[in-house]
Amino acid sequence: DIVMTQSPATLSVSPGERVTLSCRASQSVRNYLAWYQQKPGQAPKLLLYGVTTRATGVPARFSGSGSGTDFTLSISSLQSEDFAVYYCQQYSTWPPRTTFGGGTKVDVK
Amino acid sequence: QVSLVESGGGVVRPGRSLRLSCSASGFSLTSYGMHWVRQAPGLGPEWVAVMSFDGSVKYYADSVLGRFAISRDISRSTVFLQMNNLRRDDTALYYCAKSLWGFQPPFDSWGQGTQVIVTS
Repeated sequence: DIVMTQSPATLSVSPGERVTLSCRASQSVRNYLAWYQQKPGQAPKLLLYGVTTRATGVPARFSGSGSGTDFTLSISSLQSEDFAVYYCQQYSTWPPRTTFGGGTKVDVK
Repeated sequence: QVSLVESGGGVVRPGRSLRLSCSASGFSLTSYGMHWVRQAPGLGPEWVAVMSFDGSVKYYADSVLGRFAISRDISRSTVFLQMNNLRRDDTALYYCAKSLWGFQPPFDSWGQGTQVIVTS
């Protein structure tokens, strides 16, 4: 299986700051990369797919970049509702064997 | 509006069985792949199983292959996960999730999850 590694594990930031989260794949996943946001007690919520496409209703402050093995999720100006855990997911393999990263927790500095 | 509601979780001894249910509304199971994903405390999600939109294709994670089975009842718009020979490392919150399109991820809708605890 493709291993997804996210860094850092925890990121302490202040509201209004720009945030950059990293995700690395153990082999190329082409552009089959998604990002999810998970708040305590809730299911993950799809933010981005195909590296850069925002899911329905996701604010424009969320953006993605990268290709192959290295990817980035950026939040241009962190809002209070953005404090959460973020997971990357690759879905490049067939048969389907999608894998998730271990997550990056964004908390208040 | 899409809604997924899981049920059937509980506390069970190793080696026993459970059947989870996922009741879907707001869309047709015959149009989208449906997945089960689990998440142990403090860890990232782990994909478990998928059924294609026509029900003809099913795939499983290696960790559950031969023990778990995904199925559905179209008339009840419900997807099931039969879990046999449960192990302690199957302990997790189990979610059902809908493919954004077709068969593959990403998952654009998730249920609230049902807790499975395997303990002696």
